[in-house]
Amino acid sequence: AQKITQTQPGMFVQEKEAVTLDCTYDTSDPSYGLFWYKQPSSGEMIFLIYQGSYDQQNATEGRYSLNFQKARKSANLVISASQLGDSAMYFCAMREGILTGGGNKLTFGTGTQLKVEL
Amino acid sequence: GAGVSQTPSNKVTEKGKYVELRCDPISGHTALYWYRQSLGQGPEFLIYFQGTGAADDSGLPNDRFFAVRPEGSVSTLKIQRTERGDSAVYLCASSTSSGGTGELFFGEGSRLTVL
Repeated sequence: AQKITQTQPGMFVQEKEAVTLDCTYDTSDPSYGLFWYKQPSSGEMIFLIYQGSYDQQNATEGRYSLNFQKARKSANLVISASQLGDSAMYFCAMREGILTGGGNKLTFGTGTQLKVEL
Repeated sequence: GAGVSQTPSNKVTEKGKYVELRCDPISGHTALYWYRQSLGQGPEFLIYFQGTGAADDSGLPNDRFFAVRPEGSVSTLKIQRTERGDSAVYLCASSTSSGGTGELFFGEGSRLTVL
């Protein structure tokens, strides 16, 4: 089974609108972390936001927020007030074993290509 | 620069040749990771160093792949007898600590094309 599933290969959003990028995950580990990265055409992976499995509140970082639904094993990224510069590939990733300190591998999904239009 | 630096940015080689890809992490970062990203896929873990030692090399696909980090900073990923299936972007990342919640800082990658 896939550990990280991103079911939207491509998404379009109009400038200034909000958009939600879906991510579901599969793990039996009680301590894990969920990450979102942005990859523009330059190729560099840019960290956006992090959510720990034991965090009580949903993570927010500026225009990015993470809609974490633990029971459903989903960690959707919400981008508010989209900008043209948000056009990029977005990857959801998971690291297991967060609290035991043993986790070091990130497992990535296949990504969602976001296009922001005027 | 302050970021993770990878060289070369592009490498074209012939099947069967030997290739080295270099990664210069952010100064002071003790953990270094190599990932491989094939077209249309997310990055796939290859190997992780904590200091000079390879703490986890479970992602290396076979014994043609090898990586070193002799002085605990710069790392080199070495691929012997390259095959066309090795064509991908090889990403390097570093972080201040191993595991935990520390984010990874990625370089722009080395695009390898095997003809």
